[in-house]
Order: sequence, then structure tokens, then C-alpha cells
Amino acid sequence: GAVVSQHPSWVICKSGTSVKIECRSLDFQATTMFWYRQFPKQSLMLMATSNEGSKATYEQGVEKDKFLINHASLTLSTLTVTSAHPEDSSFYICSAPDPSRAADEQFFGPGTRLTVL
Amino acid sequence: AQKITQTQPGMFVQEKEAVTLDCTYDTSDQSYGLFWYKQPSSGEMIFLIYQGSYDEQNATEGRYSLNFQKARKSANLVISASQLGDSAMYFCAMRDPPRGYNKLIFGAGTRLAVHP
Repeated sequence: GAVVSQHPSWVICKSGTSVKIECRSLDFQATTMFWYRQFPKQSLMLMATSNEGSKATYEQGVEKDKFLINHASLTLSTLTVTSAHPEDSSFYICSAPDPSRAADEQFFGPGTRLTVL
Repeated sequence: AQKITQTQPGMFVQEKEAVTLDCTYDTSDQSYGLFWYKQPSSGEMIFLIYQGSYDEQNATEGRYSLNFQKARKSANLVISASQLGDSAMYFCAMRDPPRGYNKLIFGAGTRLAVHP
């Protein structure tokens, strides 16, 4: 199946710093990617839709200035957590649909575990 | 608004037995898609099975089958011949058309433990 990678797989940072997470589609072009957040023992919550060549669409309650999304190419979307605080500690997962496939399957990255001290 | 409900926080099953994980959904749309994903402790989301709202046959993928009852708005996952490696979190999800064709909303998940 299609492959989506994320980097880094985990990151620990000090409060107040910014952290960038990359999401790449390795063998297909993704005009759209999705960013999810998952707290321990909870479900995935959609944060935003990343659109290649245009602004991201954020879900209600997600701070745009806090979570900056850039979809610079058809294979790369980045999520930057700005001025991170301990409450931003979470598991961040990206996904992308492969438009060449007939089914609606989305391919998920392996996730990035962020810990803010 | 679209909603996915998984009422079983945890399930136990003996190895080699079958298990059913429940999922009900709520939508006013006629066209929608239902998914099941497996999330092991490593965190990756593994696609298991998909059912389209217009599919007349229940979806099957190896040991996974989806018991789709449209009138009852349920899409239960059946895992046959459980294996120890099936122990994981399982999420039911629905494509959310009004907000974007490929957007998924997820249920709360069910943690499955397979005992030897």
C-alpha cells in the first residue's frame, strides 16, 4: 500500500520552543493531508486539513497561530507547534488519501510523540 | 452532526475464538463510508476494512469482516480466529462528507486483549 512517513517519531522540547513535524507521502502525490492529535487513551481528533498551494483549514477550537501548517509540495506537509507548552504534549498523526486509488482508504503516518517539559 | 459510537471500552477474547467489536453511527447523508483501523501500542494506524454505504455485500478482508446493518446504523467488526497479535486498540471511523470528502471522524475506540 501507499506509504506516509513522519519525522521525527518522537521529540522532547522545553516549554516555549517551537517544534516542526514533517509528513511525507513517499510513493504518491497528496494534494490534501490531514493532521490529527491523540491524547493518551483517547481517540484521534482532527486538527486541520492541509491543502497543497493554499491555506490550511482548521477545525473548530484549534488555534491557527499555535499550530502552523504548510503544505509546500505535493508530497510534504509540515505542522509547527509554536511556543509549545506542556499541554501540547500529545501524539500527532498525519494522514493522506491516495487520489489514484478507487477506495476511500487513507494512509496514516507512524505518528510523532511530542513531550513538552 | 455525524457521530461514531463505540460502546465497548475493552474486550477480552481467547486465542483462536471470534470476537465482535461494536460500532454505531449517526448521519443524515445517504452516501458515506465506514472504516476500521487497528492501532497497536506503537501508535501506527493500520487500515483493516472499508464499507461503502451503497455496498450491498458485507466487506471482508481475510480474518476481518464487517457486519453492516444499514437500517440499524451499525458497522460491527468481526475478527475470526483471534491471534495474540490482534491485541490492540480498534477504531471505527466514518468519512464525513459535509465537511470534506476525505475527512474522517473516529469513535472512542475499543481495546482488545487476546489471551492464550
